[in-house]
Formats: sequence, structure tokens, C-alpha cells
Amino acid sequence: DAGITQSPRHKVTETGTPVTLRCHQTENHRYMYWYRQDPGHGLRLIHYSYGVKDTDKGEVSDGYSVSRSKTEDFLLTLESATSSQTSVYFCAHRDSGTEAFFGQGTRLTVV
Amino acid sequence: KNEVEQSPQNLTAQEGEFITINCSYSVGISALHWLQQHPGGGIVSLFMLSSGKKKHGRLIATINIQEKHSSLHITASHPRDSAVYICAVTGTASKLTFGTGTRLQVTL
Repeated sequence: DAGITQSPRHKVTETGTPVTLRCHQTENHRYMYWYRQDPGHGLRLIHYSYGVKDTDKGEVSDGYSVSRSKTEDFLLTLESATSSQTSVYFCAHRDSGTEAFFGQGTRLTVV
Repeated sequence: KNEVEQSPQNLTAQEGEFITINCSYSVGISALHWLQQHPGGGIVSLFMLSSGKKKHGRLIATINIQEKHSSLHITASHPRDSAVYICAVTGTASKLTFGTGTRLQVTL
């Protein structure tokens, strides 16, 4: 399973509600990433982390926040979900000089 | 212009054909990754390379750092190779940036 788990795997939520997606890795890797995947756009970086409490924005960070209080967990929060945030969300982790490992994805639908 | 460009976007091949997917990037990188995603599936790392060439089974990946170009080759293609192949680069600040992918369909 590449030492990474995303939860939930599927979620339907209403517009305006907050949503938190969780990514958990068991490899003690330094770097973690949240991406969204939409048709025609490929994988776009939302936020990433290079250590506990060290995070930075990606190219599509508006409307999203992240937290990393432990090495193994990287949380993505949609502060007030909108229909444009309906997407498939992937988490990944890697360490310096290693390949990247991906979660199975979370399919989020905002209605 | 995207930092990572892939071509072609779509590719159809017959079983047994030799396939090449190309990736060009415009930023300095520490490594380049080739990934595979089956329909409705997760994303799997095929290769990570920073120079030269790597081979795994029927898959070969090459990179030319001076030209900022990489290729993924599939020899003796098979229908089970049908998937989206994605190129990604590890650049500054350890960001992992992706191309938009190449959708490969291998028919009998």
C-alpha cells in the first residue's frame, strides 16, 4: 500500500460546509503533498509540506488550508466547500532522493 | 506555458508495437518521475531518474539533462499497458510538478 492511507475515500458534502481530508503515511518521509486531479488539468498542487509545521502553497491553494502537526499526518481542509472543489484529491509522500508514493485518492463531491 | 509538457496527449497502439512518450521540462530539477495511472485507479511510480537510463521489464526511461527531455518507452506493448502515463519533476523547494499525462490505449 506504499505506506500511505487517505480518508475518507468518498465524500459528498453540501456547499458552504467545511471538509477535512486526512493523509497518513507510515514511512517517516519528510515531504507530503496534496493534489487535485481534474479532467484536462492533470494533477495540480494545492499545498505541500517539507516538515512538521512547515507548509507552503501550491498553484491552486485558494480555499484550502493544511496542517501537519505530526510527521505522519497531513490534513487538507476546505474551509467552505464550493462546487468548483468537486474533484479527486490525491496525497503523496517522498523523502530526499526517493520516489513518490501516492494514496488511492479521495473523490469529493460538493452539491 | 506549463513547466512540464508531455506528448502526445493521446496514443493508440496495436498490441506488440513499440511506444514512446515524451516529456520536456523548463525548470531545474533534481529528479524526474514517470508514473502510471489505470482508469479509476491510484497512481504508481514507475521510475525516478536524474541521469541516463533505467529499465524495468518492458519499460525503459531515459533522460537528457542538457536538453531537459525524457522519454518513456514500452516495448512489445500489451492491452494491460493501457493507462495514463504521467511525467513529474522534483524541482526547487522539493515541489513535485506534473505534466497533464498521456492516455495510452493498446488494442488487440
